[in-house]
Amino acid sequence: DTEVTQTPKHLVMGMTNKKSLKCEQHMGHRAMYWYKQKAKKPPELMFVYSYEKLSINESVPSRFSPECPNSSLLNLHLHALQPEDSALYLCASSQDVRPLYGYTFGSGTRLTVV
Amino acid sequence: AQTVTQSQPEMSVQEAETVTLSCTYDTSESNYYLFWYKQPPSRQMILVIRQEAYKQQNATENRFSVNFQKAAKSFSLKISDSQLGDTAMYFCAFMKHEDRGGKLIFGQGTELSVKP
Repeated sequence: DTEVTQTPKHLVMGMTNKKSLKCEQHMGHRAMYWYKQKAKKPPELMFVYSYEKLSINESVPSRFSPECPNSSLLNLHLHALQPEDSALYLCASSQDVRPLYGYTFGSGTRLTVV
Repeated sequence: AQTVTQSQPEMSVQEAETVTLSCTYDTSESNYYLFWYKQPPSRQMILVIRQEAYKQQNATENRFSVNFQKAAKSFSLKISDSQLGDTAMYFCAFMKHEDRGGKLIFGQGTELSVKP
């Protein structure tokens, strides 16, 4: 298995909703990442998990809450989002926290906040 | 701080021809890694090619090759025999060798269209 699987592929939520994005990999990778990407822009790093511990938080608002229950799974919990949070959310993984061979990305969750 | 610049927001090429995408970067680091990622309309970011800064030899992967000029801080991507499936957004990215956070710094991207 050489994939990073993200669910759901599309999500529409209201500003008062609570929802979660899920990311799963079974490659034995020890680092996992959340990126946010606006249309025709580069991805922006949000969080890095290394060996299931949060190692980087790029000053992301608290309405985004990451969780890494085990080495294969990464969640992003969403609460009280704003319309400007609408974007493609990409999960990625790498063998180690120093991804010298690059990341493996998932196909993303397209989030729309209404 | 490191920056990555892709000066061509859009490019187009005829099928079977060759195209070169440019990328320059700014860093004071001596050892680092450079990547080209492809993002087709399917949204998934796919690693195309990587280059280690301490290696003089330019990386190649089938129809994809780079021209790495360390002194000029330039890392261009050449796509030979372009195919319709090469239509995508291409991002150049930089990572410090010592970076323990695995943070990739991306350029703004070049949208490539391959025309039949």
